[in-house]
Amino acid sequence: ETGVTQTPRHLVMGMTNKKSLKCEQHLGHNAMYWYKQSAKKPLELMFVYSLEERVENNSVPSRFSPECPNSSHLFLHLHTLQPEDSALYLCASSQGRQETQYFGPGTRLLVL
Amino acid sequence: EDQVTQSPEALRLQEGESSSLNCSYTVSGLRGLFWYRQDPGKGPEFLFTLYSAGEEKEKERLKATLTKKESFLHITAPKPEDSATYLCAVQTNNDMRFGAGTRLTVKP
Repeated sequence: ETGVTQTPRHLVMGMTNKKSLKCEQHLGHNAMYWYKQSAKKPLELMFVYSLEERVENNSVPSRFSPECPNSSHLFLHLHTLQPEDSALYLCASSQGRQETQYFGPGTRLLVL
Repeated sequence: EDQVTQSPEALRLQEGESSSLNCSYTVSGLRGLFWYRQDPGKGPEFLFTLYSAGEEKEKERLKATLTKKESFLHITAPKPEDSATYLCAVQTNNDMRFGAGTRLTVKP
């Protein structure tokens, strides 16, 4: 594997389900990010981890919970989501907070 | 408040018809401006980083330029495979802020 990988690529879940998105970067970077991309809207930054320390975006609902066990892996735990949470969730990594970010292919999430 | 605005929202070109995409920004403390290409259902693919006014970068049919208020992505003699959404992002002292993108369609 090279670059940034994400699993699953597609996910359909009910509003009462619990699921997790996984991201892995093979670039040796020390910062990782979760973004939400909705149709015709700019990417919205959700969470940032730098050197495994979380820099949280306060506007993200608590039904989204990130986890960064090490510098190569990032998870987004989902619980009691709403239909408006349906979107493409993108993971990215960079070598330093203000350097070029490289993105994974995304997870297309549909909440029914 | 930091803002990044891309125009036009959508652009349709004939193959070989050159044009430019615009990214205007109002931010405090520009650290870098990034251009990405995004194909449907995929993650953004990095194209260029520009750091200071007057800087230019080129890659195949694409050329990115930067002024103190905006950046242009010039596409010379585009081909159908250049069809994609092009995203601009600005790195400030605090975070990375993205524009909504320009959806480019190149017809053969």
